[in-house]
Amino acid sequence: GEDVEQSLFLSVREGDSSVINCTYTDSSSTYLYWYKQEPGAGLQLLTYIFSNMDMKQDQRLTVLLNKKDKHLSLRIADTQTGDSAIYFCASEGASKIIFGSGTRLSIRP
Amino acid sequence: DTEVTQTPKHLVMGMTNKKSLKCEQHMGHRAMYWYKQKAKKPPELMFVYSYEKLSINESVPSRFSPECPNSSLLNLHLHALQPEDSALYLCASSQGRSGDTEAFFGQGTRLTVV
Repeated sequence: GEDVEQSLFLSVREGDSSVINCTYTDSSSTYLYWYKQEPGAGLQLLTYIFSNMDMKQDQRLTVLLNKKDKHLSLRIADTQTGDSAIYFCASEGASKIIFGSGTRLSIRP
Repeated sequence: DTEVTQTPKHLVMGMTNKKSLKCEQHMGHRAMYWYKQKAKKPPELMFVYSYEKLSINESVPSRFSPECPNSSLLNLHLHALQPEDSALYLCASSQGRSGDTEAFFGQGTRLTVV
């Protein structure tokens, strides 16, 4: 079946850029999403990219998509303490949205 | 309005109770979803409704019963749940048309079964 994979943890220094990576298997994915989840909270849609795009920028967030390698990344510029959260990559195809395991981003002072 | 509203935010129920979770959106979306999320795990798809018809049931036990009374509302009826069903239940919606979808999630209902 479809699968989405992410590394579990990422630690960055405050002010540096964070890059969270994701790979997916469903070649029919139409949309790819990044969600942020803070402790005890629901999912917040950060950004998404349509499968025929290779880059999308939205303020501090940059999404890169390599459709050939089925690789998606999220770059957060100037990472702040408020960016500490779990970041989920998700792919949408065949009426399903499948999530990766989430990457826990922690910020060092 | 890009909100998906879920009620209640928190629910504690006994194993013999019957309760319902509610989800509402007014974005004109025609696909609605229920997900279950256990602590420190990604959300897992339970059900998908497309144009008010159940299109996907991911082998969910019958103690969970979804209902889509109209295009704006999605309910999840709960009966005879087990403690292991305690989780965050997330509702989502999207346009539902192929190639034109952006999914929005509600904040979830945190369910505790005692």
